Amino acid sequence: QVQLVQSGSELKKPGASVKVSCKASGYTFTSYAMNWVRQAPGQGLEWMGWINTNTGNPTYAQGFTGRFVFSLDTSVSTAYLQISSLKAEDTAVYYCVVSIYSGFFDYWGQGTLVTVSS
Amino acid sequence: EIVLTQSPATLSLSPGERATLSCRASQSVSSYLAWYQQKPGQAPRLLIYDASNRATGIPARFSGSGSGTDFTLTISSLEPEDFAVYYCQQRSNWVTFGPGTKVDIK
Repeated sequence: QVQLVQSGSELKKPGASVKVSCKASGYTFTSYAMNWVRQAPGQGLEWMGWINTNTGNPTYAQGFTGRFVFSLDTSVSTAYLQISSLKAEDTAVYYCVVSIYSGFFDYWGQGTLVTVSS
Repeated sequence: EIVLTQSPATLSLSPGERATLSCRASQSVSSYLAWYQQKPGQAPRLLIYDASNRATGIPARFSGSGSGTDFTLTISSLEPEDFAVYYCQQRSNWVTFGPGTKVDIK
């Protein structure tokens, strides 16, 4: 069965960097794009963008350019989200998400909480 | 950017009642609209895609309708496990989500 397993919670200081991983299984990793979605505490869902898992080409949504980087290691079927120069407002749960059957977000990782606090 | 507006923000109902949730788009999204359910501490779950198709394993009490700019998610008879937040999402032009409707117990 399709599974997306994300790395554990992170506590970082402002200005630091964080790298969140998302390991996929149960399907051909390079056949489907990986998306990232952010959810701040008590807030709604924000689509951050996606990465073409075949070419490695990322596409970033408005508001997620510059400090956010999507990357891959196809040898281990894993996608990464790196955020640099962390700010308090980056505190959120980050989800990796894949669309396989419906054209929408069929499968979600369990989420990774990133807390930015001094 | 296509803006999705959901109403009401909160819907207070009792188990067994019918829930009707609305999602309106700032411009036409054709039928490229989905609905998700999210419970506290959990990832969202896809309920409806392409406006009216139930995702795998979703009970028949969930139904979606609409096209263009106006969409509805209906839960025909609320079960205790249906009290949650519901989001709509479009993929006609990039991806955006609505702000959510919380269905809570009256």
